[in-house]
Amino acid sequence: NAGVTQTPKFQVLKTGQSMTLQCAQDMNHEYMSWYRQDPGMGLRLIHYSVGAGITDQGEVPNGYNVSRSTTEDFPLRLLSAAPSQTSVYFCASLPPGADTQYFGPGTRLTVL
Amino acid sequence: GENVEQHPSTLSVQEGDSAVIKCTYSDSASNYFPWYKQELGKGPQLIIDIRSNVGEKKDQRIAVTLNKTAKHFSLHITETQPEDSAVYFCAASIPNFNKFYFGSGTKLNVKP
Repeated sequence: NAGVTQTPKFQVLKTGQSMTLQCAQDMNHEYMSWYRQDPGMGLRLIHYSVGAGITDQGEVPNGYNVSRSTTEDFPLRLLSAAPSQTSVYFCASLPPGADTQYFGPGTRLTVL
Repeated sequence: GENVEQHPSTLSVQEGDSAVIKCTYSDSASNYFPWYKQELGKGPQLIIDIRSNVGEKKDQRIAVTLNKTAKHFSLHITETQPEDSAVYFCAASIPNFNKFYFGSGTKLNVKP
């Protein structure tokens, strides 16, 4: 198993540009989530999904869209990037019936 | 929603000493408390967790304690080693809400 994979590892955007952060897992986990990590603020939940076709908002969903068409993939979309979205983004997945999340390696995003 | 506070934000100890990191939570419904270690450039990895029906759990040099009445839990690392240097996060989870709330992180530096 490759675990949770994220692409790209680094990305620089200009204000107003759009992009999609990719997240995939090959462990057949139903639950997947997106967090952003900012200095001094820990990890904050953006969106999560409990299965294909089902998504819900976390603590800080504004400015981000998600969809879940397959169990394996959970992309995060920024429709119009803003400097406030400069952060490190982590995707995570959770095995059925378990409490422990597995995190991907992260995507460092800078919005100029 | 849940609010998790973590202290201290930075902790510097001498190799071989003990380190203690403390967290408090606000929602008495939280029942799962994981601790994650994050090394530079990587995603968080679970190191130990505790559930609300247990007061203490140990795994070699690492232990976690939980005081449900006071709503706080702590991570204890004994005989620290340089490879323990990392950022540590606590988190709290409320059952059936599929959401995890993280503390702001503690940067632990173990000096050789």
